Amino acid sequence: ETGVTQTPRHLVMGMTNKKSLKCEQHLGHNAMYWYKQSAKKPLELMFVYSLEERVENNSVPSRFSPECPNSSHLFLHLHTLQPEDSALYLCASSQEWGTGGNEQFFGPGTRLTVL
Amino acid sequence: GQNIDQPTEMTATEGAIVQINCTYQTSGFNGLFWYQQHAGEAPTFLSYNVLDGLEEKGRFSSFLSRSKGYSYLLLKELQMKDSASYLCAVRDSNYQLIWGAGTKLIIKP
Repeated sequence: ETGVTQTPRHLVMGMTNKKSLKCEQHLGHNAMYWYKQSAKKPLELMFVYSLEERVENNSVPSRFSPECPNSSHLFLHLHTLQPEDSALYLCASSQEWGTGGNEQFFGPGTRLTVL
Repeated sequence: GQNIDQPTEMTATEGAIVQINCTYQTSGFNGLFWYQQHAGEAPTFLSYNVLDGLEEKGRFSSFLSRSKGYSYLLLKELQMKDSASYLCAVRDSNYQLIWGAGTKLIIKP
């Protein structure tokens, strides 16, 4: 089975909607990440979880709310988003957080459009 | 602030060699990564450098000079499937990955 999966792959929502993005990793990793990728901009780290505890929250607006119920699953709950939040949202996992050579494995992303 | 610079776009010919440069200014250094991202797909890991020098993996090599804050990714015997964006990322003193905006590589026949 694919290492990191994300659903849905595409999402269109209005500014008043509430939706959730789901990520699942089948690699036995202990760290999971949410990134935002906008066109021609660097990947922006949003949240990091290590062993189900949040370890980083990079000044992300409260309209984005992460949840990590176990080490294999990560959610991003969305509410009252703005059009500028339209982007590709990538989930990633790595063996550990905070060690040098850990590469991150990415899911295919959710393409989000906010109308 | 922290900054990763790489060219926005490069063009090369099938069968040739191309070098993609990356310069960085970060608070601390705990390794540099290169990722490949095809359009509409997830980034995939290519290489990791933490010590100065060249790391070779088949057709791809990556070089690091920590004193110069500089790395390059060298792609040999280019194939059409190498058309993709190449992302440089540095792990800083807080073990966060700081990403460049990526270099879009276009391969022409």
